[in-house]
Amino acid sequence: KQEVTQIPAALSVPEGENLVLNCSFTDSAIYNLQWFRQDPGKGLTSLLLIQSSQREQTSGRLNASLDKSSGRSTLYIAASQPGDSATYLCAVRPQSGNDMRFGAGTRLTVKP
Amino acid sequence: DGGITQSPKYLFRKEGQNVTLSCEQNLNHDAMYWYRQDPGQGLRLIYYSQIVNDFQKGDIAEGYSVSREKKESFPLTVTSAQKNPTAFYLCASREGLGGELFFGEGSRLTVL
Repeated sequence: KQEVTQIPAALSVPEGENLVLNCSFTDSAIYNLQWFRQDPGKGLTSLLLIQSSQREQTSGRLNASLDKSSGRSTLYIAASQPGDSATYLCAVRPQSGNDMRFGAGTRLTVKP
Repeated sequence: DGGITQSPKYLFRKEGQNVTLSCEQNLNHDAMYWYRQDPGQGLRLIYYSQIVNDFQKGDIAEGYSVSREKKESFPLTVTSAQKNPTAFYLCASREGLGGELFFGEGSRLTVL
């Protein structure tokens, strides 16, 4: 069964820093991997979707990479801002089954 | 605008009562999902549906029921058999096997 782990569970950085959030998964047989942002009490907002044939995706200050063979993905946030403070979740779509497997998330705080 | 609408946003229930959470999408997506989120945990799949009049149990289906009579709608009923129903419930939808997963804003259920 696919397991998804996110480290660290929480991260606090000063404004302006570049930072990396990590996601690891146990089974490399995936369709895709998706990164989400969740603000307190809200639903999940999709940030980036990486198909299994892709190595990375970029959107603005965000860059997500995927290394299927090692079971890892990273979300790089450039020039962090207080508005980036949220919980970031990664999820993988296994090739077997029709659901997504989620990590528990990394809670990010960016201090002004 | 296209999206997923969940209602109600907040719901209080007495023990022994059934409640139904609504999920409506106008994205024309075939697949719809219900997840449960508890503090500090990843999302857990309750039920999913790939097509009208068909649905499958997820990891934690006990005490829940669903229906999929229309493509746009996927309501979730939390029955009195669910022993610990207080949680944040999230509805999602996806187009196609490799498509992006989109979420609604969530419904918070509290059992008094």
